[in-house]
Amino acid sequence: DGGITQSPKYLFRKEGQNVTLSCEQNLNHDAMYWYRQDPGQGLRLIYYSQIVNDFQKGDIAEGYSVSREKKESFPLTVTSAQKNPTAFYLCASTYSGGGSNQPQHFGDGTRLSIL
Amino acid sequence: EDQVTQSPEALRLQEGESSSLNCSYTVSGLRGLFWYRQDPGKGPEFLFTLYSAGEEKEKERLKATLTKKESFLHITAPKPEDSATYLCAVQAGYSTLTFGKGTMLLVSP
Repeated sequence: DGGITQSPKYLFRKEGQNVTLSCEQNLNHDAMYWYRQDPGQGLRLIYYSQIVNDFQKGDIAEGYSVSREKKESFPLTVTSAQKNPTAFYLCASTYSGGGSNQPQHFGDGTRLSIL
Repeated sequence: EDQVTQSPEALRLQEGESSSLNCSYTVSGLRGLFWYRQDPGKGPEFLFTLYSAGEEKEKERLKATLTKKESFLHITAPKPEDSATYLCAVQAGYSTLTFGKGTMLLVSP
């Protein structure tokens, strides 16, 4: 079955440590997205990528970094510069980048906590 | 700036008690309005896309409608398994999605 796989499901970060969240899709989607979800808040966009080797900052990119070396993969690194990383992180993908009005499809998230 | 406001924040229904969730939006040039369902600890699951005012879509007990200023998600005779958070999002122009904060629905047997 096609879908979006996020791993790990739970992740703990020590102070000063960088951690990387994995997102893989086999839907042949062009565009991929990373969101952060906090209790009582809507999904906020961190980074997105419409094609391989290109990505753009979203609304809350500070303290995060991404890469897009393969169409199927869009890993997110939470750096030590992100002072409040505890949240639920969601990866999504869709066809044809931002110019399309096709729905985004989501993985099941990674919950990141500080040790 | 695109804005999406969902109401109510939380809604408790008895099984079989129909109701509606509201999504009000302010965008320039709506390209699509999306409804999602999210269960605790899971990613959002796509339900509907609405593209223009007057459009309606149905799936089982859910029906989504769209006007120029808002969308409604009508739930007819809900069951406990309909309990979830329902998210609304809009896309304007060639931009990314703007999400509302969601409505948490609890259906009691």
